[in-house]
Amino acid sequence: NAGVMQNPRHLVRRRGQEARLRCSPMKGHSHVYWYRQLPEEGLKFMVYLQKENIIDESGMPKERFSAEFPKEGPSILRIQQVVRGDSAAYFCASSSALSTGSGANVLTFGAGSRLTVL
Amino acid sequence: QKEVEQDPGPLSVPEGAIVSLNCTYSNSAFQYFMWYRQYSRKGPELLMYTYSSGNKEDGRFTAQVDKSSKYISLFIRDSQPSDSATYLCAMPAANNLFFGTGTRLTVIP
Repeated sequence: NAGVMQNPRHLVRRRGQEARLRCSPMKGHSHVYWYRQLPEEGLKFMVYLQKENIIDESGMPKERFSAEFPKEGPSILRIQQVVRGDSAAYFCASSSALSTGSGANVLTFGAGSRLTVL
Repeated sequence: QKEVEQDPGPLSVPEGAIVSLNCTYSNSAFQYFMWYRQYSRKGPELLMYTYSSGNKEDGRFTAQVDKSSKYISLFIRDSQPSDSATYLCAMPAANNLFFGTGTRLTVIP
């Protein structure tokens, strides 16, 4: 079991470019979460998705950020027209429906994608 | 007020010491209390979690929850250099997992 796979691990973009971060959940997991981690700050929730559905995007900035989890393929976090403040580590996590339903909601995290905006 | 508060440290201890890591929280609806460990440049990994109040032990690690004080602790006995990492407390609610900022621990050989 390869766990949660994220790519790219490192991404450098210039201001105004687009960043696309990909996440494949653990085998058997149907729930995907995206978190952002800034230096000296904790993990901040961005969005929660199930296949083809955005369940909760209350942590997503209103503009330039979008996420999807298509029927086939990985989940994608897309940041348009990046700015320096978008530089951060973006973590994807997945969980099973059973874990989420139990209330414990145990998340398994990927290694993260580190975005640097020049 | 943040949902979860955690002293960021850093905390340095000699090998073999007992380490105490703590968090406070504001939402009395939290029922599960988790501790994640994050090594440098890696993703967080779940160490252990407890439900409601009380203690839970797993090897050298003990998690303690005091719901009346909204205070949780993680104790590490006989700390090892391999325990050097950032420890994050986390509490699930609705679709979210609320994290503390993490405490950076260094165990010195």
